Amino acid sequence: GAGVSQSPRYKVAKRGQDVALRCDPISGHVSLFWYQQALGQGPEFLTYFQNEAQLDKSGLPSDRFFAERPEGSVSTLKIQRTQQEDSAVYLCASSFELAFEETQYFGPGTRLLVL
Amino acid sequence: RKEVEQDPGPFNVPEGATVAFNCTYSNSASQSFFWYRQDCRKEPKLLMSVYSSGNEDGRFTAQLNRASQYISLLIRDSKLSDSATYLCVVNPWGNQFYFGTGTSLTVIP
Repeated sequence: GAGVSQSPRYKVAKRGQDVALRCDPISGHVSLFWYQQALGQGPEFLTYFQNEAQLDKSGLPSDRFFAERPEGSVSTLKIQRTQQEDSAVYLCASSFELAFEETQYFGPGTRLLVL
Repeated sequence: RKEVEQDPGPFNVPEGATVAFNCTYSNSASQSFFWYRQDCRKEPKLLMSVYSSGNEDGRFTAQLNRASQYISLLIRDSKLSDSATYLCVVNPWGNQFYFGTGTSLTVIP
């Protein structure tokens, strides 16, 4: 069956440019997570949605980062006025429901390079 | 102090060897624990959950020590295909999942 998909897979942006990253979770999955993974590091939590509700955005590094999931399926992570330190892989993950033991299924990620 | 700490390695072991990774966590009330595997330039994939009683899946054994706040992963009879980065993941509460930096394993022929 279809897994989590993300687009674009690669994005090169000039400093100051706005970018939008898309995530298509597995159909029927209630929970959706965004993570940022810098080179040589583990994924770091950015934000969490339960259906269309953004229940936790404590990991967003600044107010330049904004995420939405208006219909409870596809999600978009937007970064305004990109900076070089935003260069990273942005991973989206979904799980069937929020339970402590639920498996998260990750998408392939979007590699963002800000020049 | 980081929520989750792992030895980044690298661990270079010969085929057939047994190798163990440890991971410590800071929040004693943490609810659930996982090991994920991440291949180079790929997304993380669940390897196994870690239960209080310990659990085994083929050549892989995971243990949880709540008193000392660490989890471990043991890989027996290492295969070349085990070469990857192993990520320790801890869920201290609700929807927060904290990943370690990962431990790099290379299995050498």
